[in-house]
Amino acid sequence: EVQLVESGGALVQPGGSLRLSCSASGFTFSSHNMHWVRQAPGKGLEYLFGISPNGRDTFYAGSVRGRFAISRDDSKNTLYLQMSSLRTEDTAVYYCVKEGGTPTFYWGQGTLITVSS
Amino acid sequence: DIMMTQSPDSLAVSLGERATITCKSSQSVLYSSNNNNYIGWYQQKPGQPPKLLIYWASIRESGVPDRFSGSGSETDFTLTISSLQAEDVAVYYCQQYYYTPWTFGQGTKVEIK
Repeated sequence: EVQLVESGGALVQPGGSLRLSCSASGFTFSSHNMHWVRQAPGKGLEYLFGISPNGRDTFYAGSVRGRFAISRDDSKNTLYLQMSSLRTEDTAVYYCVKEGGTPTFYWGQGTLITVSS
Repeated sequence: DIMMTQSPDSLAVSLGERATITCKSSQSVLYSSNNNNYIGWYQQKPGQPPKLLIYWASIRESGVPDRFSGSGSETDFTLTISSLQAEDVAVYYCQQYYYTPWTFGQGTKVEIK
């Protein structure tokens, strides 16, 4: 069974940093593109980043470019999102998403980041 | 970025009746080499992550009830729930994955009338 478990969510002050992790199981992690998508409270879905197997290619949206970075460790079946210079508008649930296979897109349960002083 | 526009924003339908949601992309998401439209439809219930219902615009994901169907091509797409059930109350999103960044419609809230 495919499982994606995000962790690292927290209450953090504006300007702070945080690293999210997404631990994967139930599929061959190293064979799949992986992505981060976020959802602010009561709002829609916003794509952040993607990364290819082995981290050779990354795909990103402009809104967080320069502040956030995606990486992966295929030996640990783990996806990461390094976040810095956090702003109040970064408050959201952050989801990791597996691309490909069955189901075609599978989302983890998400982890909540609250940026507030 | 490709803009995705859903309508309506909300929809109230009687149990057993049809619900129809439309999604329009700002440019074609049909890839001519494989004739696939890079459109997905998701269902999201409160406190849960989005769940993929439809991919390639019209292919039902495994385990999804057949009352859910998708159609359309190039820039205009539709999600239809043929006979609304109580468990279908949710917000529905369309997604294009033709380009990164993926972009999503703003969501359509489906309720029981």
